Amino acid sequence: GNSVTQMEGPVTLSEEAFLTINCTYTATGYPSLFWYVQYPGEGLQLLLKATKADDKGSNKGFEATYRKETTSFHLEKGSVQVSDSAVYFCATRGNTGRRALTFGSGTRLQVQP
Amino acid sequence: GAVVSQHPSWVICKSGTSVKIECRSLDFQATTMFWYRQFPKQSLMLMATSNEGSKATYEQGVEKDKFLINHASLTLSTLTVTSAHPEDSSFYICSAALAGGGLEQFFGPGTRLTVL
Repeated sequence: GNSVTQMEGPVTLSEEAFLTINCTYTATGYPSLFWYVQYPGEGLQLLLKATKADDKGSNKGFEATYRKETTSFHLEKGSVQVSDSAVYFCATRGNTGRRALTFGSGTRLQVQP
Repeated sequence: GAVVSQHPSWVICKSGTSVKIECRSLDFQATTMFWYRQFPKQSLMLMATSNEGSKATYEQGVEKDKFLINHASLTLSTLTVTSAHPEDSSFYICSAALAGGGLEQFFGPGTRLTVL
């Protein structure tokens, strides 16, 4: 089955710093890839997604590129804000059969003013 | 749009009692809903996939007699934790997928269950 490995947190950054959260996956075929964000006290929200190799997902200043050659989908943001403090989950989903998501362990980001 | 609610948001119960958690898609129809469990500071683990009008599909290691899932309509799925024990204490999260396909799942805010 699919699996996702993402860097452990917590990640603590100062405001306006550059963010990278690494994510690699194993899957058969060509899975779709996602980043979800969970703000304190809230449910998971889709942050961005990519459905095929070399696709770049982007939203709210965050970006991630589907790299099939390295089986990676690293999340980046050029300048983080305090409001970005949350837990970020990388996830994958196969394109046939099961629609359930396989999640990474989550990475907590804390941005300090 | 695409809002999913869960009720209750938190519940405390005594060991041996049963607890029902509801998951509703408020503004769309969901043929498939998923139930996940999240332990503190850990990832979401899929428990079961619930399809409207049919039996749920449980993941390996999840006791179907303990975690009863019912998906009676296109907007409602329920998870009942039967004879709850302290080790069942966790954060339970549902998600709903749009009828007709599509990649995106929409997540509920979760239900925190504490069994004393």
